[in-house]
Amino acid sequence: DVVMTQSPDSLSVSLGERATISCKSSQNILYTSDNKNYLAWYQQKPGQPPKLLIYWASTRQSGVPDRFSGSGSGTDFTLTINSLQAEDVAVYYCQQSFYTPRTFGQGTKVEI
Amino acid sequence: QVQLVQSGSELQKPGASVTVSCKPSGYTFIKSSIHWVRQAPGQGLEWIGWINTNTGNPTYAQDFAGHFVFSLDTSITTAYLHISGLKAEDSAIYYCARGDGTGYFLDYWGQGTLVTVSS
Repeated sequence: DVVMTQSPDSLSVSLGERATISCKSSQNILYTSDNKNYLAWYQQKPGQPPKLLIYWASTRQSGVPDRFSGSGSGTDFTLTINSLQAEDVAVYYCQQSFYTPRTFGQGTKVEI
Repeated sequence: QVQLVQSGSELQKPGASVTVSCKPSGYTFIKSSIHWVRQAPGQGLEWIGWINTNTGNPTYAQDFAGHFVFSLDTSITTAYLHISGLKAEDSAIYYCARGDGTGYFLDYWGQGTLVTVSS
């Protein structure tokens, strides 16, 4: 199975500061035929189901604030939250969808 | 608006079986896949697999094959997750989620169903 490794496991960020989460895939998830990275980021707040934030590694889902951005390609990806807000406290997961099973990272907890 | 409504919490004994239902609304049922994801207490997300709602063809992560079965009732546009031979380690929240237009990403999620396995 493809292993998705996130770092750090948790981070504490001041309000208005930037949070950066890394996600590394054990295999390349860039499909050269369509030049797309099969990588998504999800946000899960306590007691809620996950919410899709970013897909194709860098495309924001409709309605997601533009302080959230995704970057990277191949095996190395980053989720950046600019100007962290109180409502961004959550656990963030990356998931690859190129291979079956579609594996998730272990999650990164973002706190204020 | 798109919603996925799941059945309520379950308490089952080891060795028993349980079925979780997922009733989507707000879109055409057979046009989007349904995925199932497990989350053990305080743990991360595990992808169990998905079912093609047009053909009924399921795909399972190997760790869940045989123990978990997906099914559909297209007449009432409902998807099901059936778990047999329950073990304590199956205690978790089970989510259904809709595959987006590409089928690769999960754009809407159910509220989750807590399954507790305890004697």
